[in-house]
Amino acid sequence: GAVVSQHPSRVICKSGTSVKIECRSLDFQATTMFWYRQFPKQSLMLMATSNEGSKATYEQGVEKDKFLINHASLTLSTLTVTSAHPEDSSFYICSARYDGNEQFFGPGTRLTVL
Amino acid sequence: GEDVEQSLFLSVREGDSSVINCTYTDSSSTYLYWYKQEPGAGLQLLTYIFSNMDMKQDQRLTVLLNKKDKHLSLRIADTQTGDSAIYFCAERAYSSASKIIFGSGTRLSIRP
Repeated sequence: GAVVSQHPSRVICKSGTSVKIECRSLDFQATTMFWYRQFPKQSLMLMATSNEGSKATYEQGVEKDKFLINHASLTLSTLTVTSAHPEDSSFYICSARYDGNEQFFGPGTRLTVL
Repeated sequence: GEDVEQSLFLSVREGDSSVINCTYTDSSSTYLYWYKQEPGAGLQLLTYIFSNMDMKQDQRLTVLLNKKDKHLSLRIADTQTGDSAIYFCAERAYSSASKIIFGSGTRLSIRP
């Protein structure tokens, strides 16, 4: 099956710093990638949808200037949490889809902001 | 709008069948999914069903879809300790630009 990786798997940073999370589709070209965030014991909330070469579409309530998404190639999307604060601590999961029905999920990145 | 609801917890004796239920509101749903999430891990797609199907079976997993009632269920036969996880129901609908919308997840625990 298709594999999606995320890096790093865990990151701890100080408040005010920026953190970049990478999402890669390893064996397929992803026309669309999605970024989700999951708070403890809660469901996945879609943050944004990105298509290669175009600007990401953000869900209502998600600050696009705080959560910068770049989808520069068909196999890589990055999420940068700018000026991170403790309330940004969460589990961030990406997923990737090519021209099919399935969406393949990465293993997630746990961000802890001190 | 779209909304997917599930009960939060289910406890089952090992060897019994588990049935996890889900309801959704968007009648334009095309695909309905069941994902499994183990602690600290990402999501694993277990199975999915197209909206014009009533049932899909895959080894120990049986998915039933009642489109009229907008009700989806996942039955796990002969539940094992390795089935302990959170199970998410999700839908993909034309009305939501084909985004996948997740339910709150059902935590399945197995007792001996």
